[in-house]
Amino acid sequence: GQSLEQPSEVTAVEGAIVQINCTYQTSGFYGLSWYQQHDGGAPTFLSYNALDGLEETGRFSSFLSRSDSYGYLLLQELQMKDSASYFCAVRTGGFKTIFGAGTRLFVKA
Amino acid sequence: EAGVAQSPRYKIIEKRQSVAFWCNPISGHATLYWYQQILGQGPKLLIQFQNNGVVDDSQLPKDRFSAERLKGVDSTLKIQPAKLEDSAVYLCASSLVGEGLAGDTQYFGPGTRLTVL
Repeated sequence: GQSLEQPSEVTAVEGAIVQINCTYQTSGFYGLSWYQQHDGGAPTFLSYNALDGLEETGRFSSFLSRSDSYGYLLLQELQMKDSASYFCAVRTGGFKTIFGAGTRLFVKA
Repeated sequence: EAGVAQSPRYKIIEKRQSVAFWCNPISGHATLYWYQQILGQGPKLLIQFQNNGVVDDSQLPKDRFSAERLKGVDSTLKIQPAKLEDSAVYLCASSLVGEGLAGDTQYFGPGTRLTVL
């Protein structure tokens, strides 16, 4: 079957750095995306990695290792507004995107 | 640029009743997705359209769920009859293109929160 694994919850303090990991097992792989979803809101796109390495967008960075079927989202200089759920999503063959169950990030003052 | 529009935002029905959701994607987006998101879980793809053709409906419970995308623009998702386990948020998303291009970002609408009593 196809599966994505990510931690269910992560807690960090304001100003810190947090890493959210995602491992995947899918049939076919085109790339790994990350989405942010605040409570009651819609998922919004953060990043996409198709090739190995680190992609940086402001305070957020995303990493992919295709050989390890592994990626992570790195959030720096955490702010209270970063408290949300973060989903990794794999784009597989056949037009399909599969989402993980999500990691709930709690940022404490 | 207007985002993905969905209506209604909230719906409460009793089991065995019918319900329909509407989605208007971002103008020019060829691909439209319907997802079901149960509380505490990630979005689960129900059906994906490329223009007005279905490219993936493998997880759509076809005995009770149906969807259409007329003229390759707006889409409706219907549940008939509803069950208690259908209580969830139904998200519509659209993207510019489908297979083959990197970083095909999906833009989500605000969702419809369905409660089945």
